[in-house]
Amino acid sequence: EAGVTQFPSHSVIEKGQTVTLRCDPISGHDNLYWYRRVMGKEIKFLLHFVKESKQDESGMPNNRFLAERTGGTYSTLKVQPAELEDSGVYFCASSEWEESTTEAFFGQGTRLTVV
Amino acid sequence: AQSVTQPDIHITVSEGASLELRCNYSYGATPYLFWYVQSPGQGLQLLLKYFSGDTLVQGIKGFEAEFKRSQSSFNLRKPSVHWSDAAEYFCAGLNQAGTALIFGKGTTLSVSS
Repeated sequence: EAGVTQFPSHSVIEKGQTVTLRCDPISGHDNLYWYRRVMGKEIKFLLHFVKESKQDESGMPNNRFLAERTGGTYSTLKVQPAELEDSGVYFCASSEWEESTTEAFFGQGTRLTVV
Repeated sequence: AQSVTQPDIHITVSEGASLELRCNYSYGATPYLFWYVQSPGQGLQLLLKYFSGDTLVQGIKGFEAEFKRSQSSFNLRKPSVHWSDAAEYFCAGLNQAGTALIFGKGTTLSVSS
């Protein structure tokens, strides 16, 4: 069974450009989460989808970040325009039931570098 | 505010020696706690979790963790470390809403021969 897959694994962009990260969750998982780790800091929650609906986006840092999950399958996280402080590793996770965040499976992350 | 603290940023252990990684939490009610490991190029993998009941939790790869309410701790242990255990380890707790994980900063484990 395929795990959570994230694309790309690395991205280097210039300040002011746009970047779109993609996450393919485990098939059948309704819950999808985005987390981010800025260098030297903790991994922090960004938002949570249940199917195509945003359940909690309290962790989104500002309106330069837009997450979508059309059709309740894969999700994209767009950063527009990117700033230097957006550099970090972006993790996606998925789980089968809302109550089972504990059973969330993580992808390998996308390392974003803004220069 | 809820928080998870891992006091040690980097630890080096000799192969075959025992290991203990520290984790402290700041919560009101009974916390749900986890340990994850991230090996280079890999995603976060769940090692073990604690919800309630027996305070000594067994996980994968020979790891265990003990929940100590009096010390607000959930330390990860392994009796004999292997070189393949070199990785970054994260302690995490479920937020009070039960919707997201709160992570510590992580502890990098190096294993020396």
